[in-house]
Amino acid sequence: RKEVEQDPGPFNVPEGATVAFNCTYSNSASQSFFWYRQDCRKEPKLLMSVYSSGNEDGRFTAQLNRASQYISLLIRDSKLSDSATYLCVVSDGYSTLTFGKGTMLLVSP
Amino acid sequence: SQTIHQWPATLVQPVGSPLSLECTVEGTSNPNLYWYRQAAGRGLQLLFYSVGIGQISSEVPQNLSASRPQDRQFILSSKKLLLSDSGFYLCAWSVLRNEQFFGPGTRLTVL
Repeated sequence: RKEVEQDPGPFNVPEGATVAFNCTYSNSASQSFFWYRQDCRKEPKLLMSVYSSGNEDGRFTAQLNRASQYISLLIRDSKLSDSATYLCVVSDGYSTLTFGKGTMLLVSP
Repeated sequence: SQTIHQWPATLVQPVGSPLSLECTVEGTSNPNLYWYRQAAGRGLQLLFYSVGIGQISSEVPQNLSASRPQDRQFILSSKKLLLSDSGFYLCAWSVLRNEQFFGPGTRLTVL
C-alpha cells in the first residue's frame, strides 16, 4: 500500500520564526514530489514541486532525500498568512497522486 | 489560463437521495480529471480518475460513480446517498502526469 506520512501538528510558531516539516513515503518507485497548501475549508493549492537537487522559492525551501525516502519543507521568516495545512504529495509516475494527511501550521503575532 | 469550476459549493441532502456534482475545466485540452473526497479530519481520498472521454478508473469501491461525457466535463453521481458520503468533494485536473490543480470543492452534508 502506498503511504505518505506526516506529523499532523499543529506547529505553533511566532512570526519571523523558521519552521520545518518532514514527510516520509513508502513507495521507493515514486517519481515526483510536491508540497500543497490547504487553507481551512478551501481546496489544496500547489505550493511547490520538489526536485532531486532541492529547490527554493522565496522563503520556502524543499528538499528530497530518495535514499531515506523523505521530503522536507522549510519556511523562513514565517508570516501570519503562512498559517495553513501543508500537504506532502507523491506521484508514482502514472496518473495518480498520494496525499499525506497534512501538517498544520499556526503562526502567531 | 486554465480554470476549473465546480458546483454547487455546498449541498445538504437526505439519506437515500441521488447526487450529481459537476466539474468543468477551461483553457486546456484532454486533461486528466480526478474526483477526491476529504472527510472531516482526514486526508484526500482519490475516488475516480479519467484520462479521456468515457474512460473512468475507480480507486475505491463505493456507491458512487463517475462519468466523463465531454473532454472537459467530469460528473460524480450517486443513486442513493449514505451518511458516510458526507465530506468535501474536490475535482482536479492535470496534464500528462504532472501536478494537479483543484477546483473550489463541494461541501456535502448527508442527513
